[in-house]
Amino acid sequence: EAQVTQNPRYLITVTGKKLTVTCSQNMNHEYMSWYRQDPGLGLRQIYYSMNVEVTDKGDVPEGYKVSRKEKRNFPLILESPSPNQTSLYFCASSRVGTKNIQYFGAGTRLSVL
Amino acid sequence: ELKVEQNPLFLSMQEGKNYTIYCNYSTTSDRLYWYRQDPGKSLESLFVLLSNGAVKQEGRLMASLDTKARLSTLHITAAVHDLSATYFCAVDIEPTSYDKVIFGPGTSLSVIP
Repeated sequence: EAQVTQNPRYLITVTGKKLTVTCSQNMNHEYMSWYRQDPGLGLRQIYYSMNVEVTDKGDVPEGYKVSRKEKRNFPLILESPSPNQTSLYFCASSRVGTKNIQYFGAGTRLSVL
Repeated sequence: ELKVEQNPLFLSMQEGKNYTIYCNYSTTSDRLYWYRQDPGKSLESLFVLLSNGAVKQEGRLMASLDTKARLSTLHITAAVHDLSATYFCAVDIEPTSYDKVIFGPGTSLSVIP
């Protein structure tokens, strides 16, 4: 089954404690992206990647890091989380070139205390 | 500033009625997407509109794109309760070689029996 898998689904942490949210897709997609969703703001793109070792900033990259060492994985790293990073996070993937639709993961709800 | 706006943000309509959701964007783009999100769920792709004048239909939903007016519409025909969800439009940013995506704030639709 084609899917984008995020882990964990729910996470409560404290300020300053480094964390990683994993994202994996099994569709051999070149493009992967991270979004955060906050009430009234829709989805805002954090980082995206056009292919292995190619990443770029979205609209709200501050406080986040990503890496793309393998095509299927695109982890989101919060080196020193702060309360304003409490949000619902989505990973997505798609093919490039034909501008195909993005497939979204189930989401990760993060609370930073 | 790059912006994607949706109108209305909240919509309550009776079953059987017709309505249109509007998506305006401030950048040059000929790629627009519509997504649906059910409460507590991830996003599901509805339509990809790739050129001026593009029209796509699926069931009771029809989407269109006017790139000159920088406007997309999502028309709902004879609404049913199952269409209750939040609908997002999103655009690819141009001119650029990067696939940066901007989402609108979403339209929360409630269809009342």
